Amino acid sequence: DGGITQSPKYLFRKEGQNVTLSCEQNLNHDAMYWYRQDPGQGLRLIYYSQIVNDFQKGDIAEGYSVSREKKESFPLTVTSAQKNPTAFYLCASGRGTIGRRNYGYTFGSGTRLTVV
Amino acid sequence: EDKVVQSPLSLVVHEGDTVTLNCSYEVTNFRSLLWYKQEKKAPTFLFMLTSSGIEKKSGRLSSILDKKELSSILNITATQTGDSAIYLCAVESQGGSEKLVFGKGTKLTVNP
Repeated sequence: DGGITQSPKYLFRKEGQNVTLSCEQNLNHDAMYWYRQDPGQGLRLIYYSQIVNDFQKGDIAEGYSVSREKKESFPLTVTSAQKNPTAFYLCASGRGTIGRRNYGYTFGSGTRLTVV
Repeated sequence: EDKVVQSPLSLVVHEGDTVTLNCSYEVTNFRSLLWYKQEKKAPTFLFMLTSSGIEKKSGRLSSILDKKELSSILNITATQTGDSAIYLCAVESQGGSEKLVFGKGTKLTVNP
């Protein structure tokens, strides 16, 4: 079955530590996205990538980094520069742009990150 | 800056009630508006509305896009406890990135 897999489901980070959240999709989607969800805040875009080896900052990119070396994978690193990283992180993929109809995203099940 | 505002932010109803959730938007070069339902983790797709498809219906759920008022409503009739979730509205603009801008969501609680 095609889908998006995020791992781990739960992650605990110590102060000053970098952590990487995994996102893998086998939907053959060109575009991938990372969102952060806080209570009462909805989804806020961190980074997105429309094609391999290219990505753009979203609205709240500070303290985060990404890579897109393969079409299937879009890992997110939460660095020590992110002062308030405790949140629910959602990865999504979409069919891409430039004339292709958008049927919305497919979301992963999320990773809940907690700073301890 | 593109903006999506949902109201109310929270709503509590009894089973069998009908609810209307609202979404208004300000976006450059509107392309589509999407509704998602989020129960615990991954949001699931409900509807997409565009200039060529302004009304959608699926069972007890329906949605309408008002292009003039730059808004959309999501109606749920004969609510059930399984409808309890956060309902997210998102808007996509034309011109390239395909990224969606989300509202804060409406948390719906349906009590038996």
